Amino acid sequence: DQQVKQNSPSLSVQEGRISILNCDYTNSMFDYFLWYKKYPAEGPTFLISISSIKDKNEDGRFTVFLNKSAKHLSLHIVPSQPGDSAVYFCAAILYYNQGGKLIFGQGTELSVKP
Amino acid sequence: SQTIHQWPATLVQPVGSPLSLECTVEGTSNPNLYWYRQAAGRGLQLLFYSVGIGQISSEVPQNLSASRPQDRQFILSSKKLLLSDSGFYLCAWSRTSGRRYNEQFFGPGTRLTVL
Repeated sequence: DQQVKQNSPSLSVQEGRISILNCDYTNSMFDYFLWYKKYPAEGPTFLISISSIKDKNEDGRFTVFLNKSAKHLSLHIVPSQPGDSAVYFCAAILYYNQGGKLIFGQGTELSVKP
Repeated sequence: SQTIHQWPATLVQPVGSPLSLECTVEGTSNPNLYWYRQAAGRGLQLLFYSVGIGQISSEVPQNLSASRPQDRQFILSSKKLLLSDSGFYLCAWSRTSGRRYNEQFFGPGTRLTVL
């Protein structure tokens, strides 16, 4: 049962254009979401997050949008740069008593072409 | 500042051999600790998490086990590896309170190939 889904395994965009990565979830108990960026043979690094009390969070070139009614979030990268080429994972948190478990999507490989 | 170490970086093991992967965290105390696996072409799967010494929760039934002998040490083990255990293993930590409580910080990973 895939609770967090990234239905596009890959995305290719031109440098300077907007990259939009999508993520859908099924569990309405999720109320905090994160995006991670991962280069090959390295651990993921945190990019940006959003709480369910917001519908948008912005950090520089990165903006995450959350549509709770649709159980959908998206990551916008504007403008896209070749260094943004990586695999992007969407993740949702399920809380337990002292922390949270991250439930990851399958990832989307972004390729930004010069 | 906090750092997270994993070793070894790469490992090639025969089927049926034992496994021990180690993860240590520096610069923080009483972290939550996690083991993830990324199999080829797949997303990140949570294997184990720990909220304290000796406390391990398993997410997926398998021939792997985890232990936390010290506050900032997390070990992933197997008595007999299977071919399907091949993958990229990631350790992560998170704070239990405070700012950035929700964020998990990942180590560099271990690439395991079982032949």
